[in-house]
Formats: sequence, C-alpha cells, structure tokens
Amino acid sequence: EVQLLESGGGLVQPGGSLRLSCAASGFTFSSYAMSWVRQAPGKGLEWVSTISSSGGSTYYADSVKGRFTISRDNSKDSVSLQMNSLRAEDTAVYYCANMDLARWGQGTLVTASS
Amino acid sequence: DIQMTQSPSTLSASVGDRVTITCRASQSISSWLAWYQQKPGKAPKFLIYQASSLESGVPSRFSGSGSGTEFTLTISSLKPDDSATYYCQHYNSYPWTFGQGTKVEIK
Repeated sequence: EVQLLESGGGLVQPGGSLRLSCAASGFTFSSYAMSWVRQAPGKGLEWVSTISSSGGSTYYADSVKGRFTISRDNSKDSVSLQMNSLRAEDTAVYYCANMDLARWGQGTLVTASS
Repeated sequence: DIQMTQSPSTLSASVGDRVTITCRASQSISSWLAWYQQKPGKAPKFLIYQASSLESGVPSRFSGSGSGTEFTLTISSLKPDDSATYYCQHYNSYPWTFGQGTKVEIK
C-alpha cells in the first residue's frame, strides 16, 4: 500500500525557517517525481514544488521561488522541503504527493506567526 | 501561467440529481487535467486523470470529459457522500495550477 507521511510542521516566526519531510513507502520511490501542495486555512489548493525522480530537475511556484528548496534522498525514500524566510501567507497545510500514483499524505500544518 | 476557472463556485442539488462542474483553462492543456474531491479536514482524493480516466476505486457515477480548454466533471446520480469540494488541476506544464474549487451541497 502506498503511504506518504509528512512531518516537521509547526509554529515559526515570520522570517524563520522550517524543514518538512515526507517518508514514502509501498512503491519504488526512486522511479517517481514527488510534489508538495499546500492549502491555506479556508482556501483552495496551491501547487508548491515538484522534484524529478532522480532529483536532477526541480520546479517551484513563483510564490516560493528563491525561498523554498525541494530535495530527495532515494536511499531513504524521502523528500524534503526546506522553507526559509517564511511569511504569514505561507501558513497552510502542506501535503506531500505522488501525482503519478494519485496518492497524497495527510498533511502537516505550518503556521508563520509572531 | 495557465489559469484554471471553475464554475459554479457552489451548487446545491438533491440526491439522485445529475451534477456538472465546468473547468476552463486560459490556454490549451490538451487532456492534462485531473479532478479531486476534498472533504473537510481531509487530504484531496484523486478522482480522474487525463481528463476522462477514472482513478481505480472511484465510483462509476463520476465521469470527466473535455480537452483543450474546456472540461467537465459529472456526477450522474448524486449521493449524500458526494457532499464535498471539487477541484480541477492542470499538469500540462509548470507551474501546475488548480481551479478555485466548487462546493457541492446536498439539499
């Protein structure tokens, strides 16, 4: 069974940093691109970033470009999102997703607030 | 960037009704479109990929159609469990974008 488990969310002050992780299981992790999608409280879905299966290509939404970095460790079946210079508008539930296998994690809440 | 526009934003229908949600892309995305269902407090659930292919395990009352810039999600006979918010999303090119969502309520 495909499973994606996010961790690392929490409360951080504006301007601070946080690192999200997603542990994958139930599929050949190194064969698939992985993505992060977020949802601000009461709002719609927003794609954040995608990394190719090898990690050689990364893509970002304009809203996070230059502040967020996606990476993966295929030896540990995990993908991470390093979030720097956090803003209040980054407050959201962050989902890890494998779009090819149509699977999402349950999400982890990030709150950027003083 | 490609903009995705859904209509209506909300709809109220009775059990057994046929329900249609429209999603329009600001430029052609071929058939690179997915539909999701999301219930409060839950992660989105994948319903349809490549505009019209039903994800495994999704009830056959859900169907998708369209290509290019106009797409529809149809629920052939609405059930109480279908009360949720539905999103379209293109994956034609980066950045991927979602529609703003359609909330389906049961009368």
